[in-house]
Amino acid sequence: EVQLVESGGGLVQPGGSLRLSCTASGFTFSKSGMNWVRQHPGKGLEWVSGINPSDGGTYYADSAKGRFTISRDNSKNTLFLQMNSLRADDTAIYYCANVHDGYWGQGTLVTVSS
Amino acid sequence: QAVLTQPSSLSASPGASASLTCTLRSGINVGTYRIYWYQQKPGSPPQYLLRYKSDSDKNQGSGVPSRFSGSKDASANAGILLISGLQSEDEADYYCTIWHNGAWVFGGGTKLTVL
Repeated sequence: EVQLVESGGGLVQPGGSLRLSCTASGFTFSKSGMNWVRQHPGKGLEWVSGINPSDGGTYYADSAKGRFTISRDNSKNTLFLQMNSLRADDTAIYYCANVHDGYWGQGTLVTVSS
Repeated sequence: QAVLTQPSSLSASPGASASLTCTLRSGINVGTYRIYWYQQKPGSPPQYLLRYKSDSDKNQGSGVPSRFSGSKDASANAGILLISGLQSEDEADYYCTIWHNGAWVFGGGTKLTVL
């Protein structure tokens, strides 16, 4: 059974940092492109960042460039998202996802508020 | 103009068929893309339904009923998700997405009401 389990969300003040993690099982993580996708409250899906399976090539939405860093540890089947300089409009549920194969976690809520 | 445009809402009756469209921006040819479709119900993550590029390049999600199918309308430059034999449980938000210029691009979603 495929499982993606996110962790690391929570309440953080504007300007603060958070590191999200996603542990994968049930599929060959090391050969899978992985992504972070977020959903603002009551809104649609917004892709945030992606990372290639082997060469570690990374991709970012404009909203994430310069502030967020995606990375992966294939030896631990884990995906990360380091989020710095957080703003109120980063408040959302963050999903870890293999969009191509259709694997998504349950999401972790990030709230940026003073 | 958004890369992918979906109607914000659609209503249909139980037992009927619903055709959900995902229109690509002018200049982006639907023929060259795999269109992925997701269903999302309140409080749950998106669930993969299927992807469609052509009749020879398509994939149905595991456990997804065959009454969900994908196609394209080249004249409209759009991907289509057809849901036949609508059931009350099909009431949900539906999102299309493509891999475009190094990013996953999502449509704004269609809220399907079955009544």
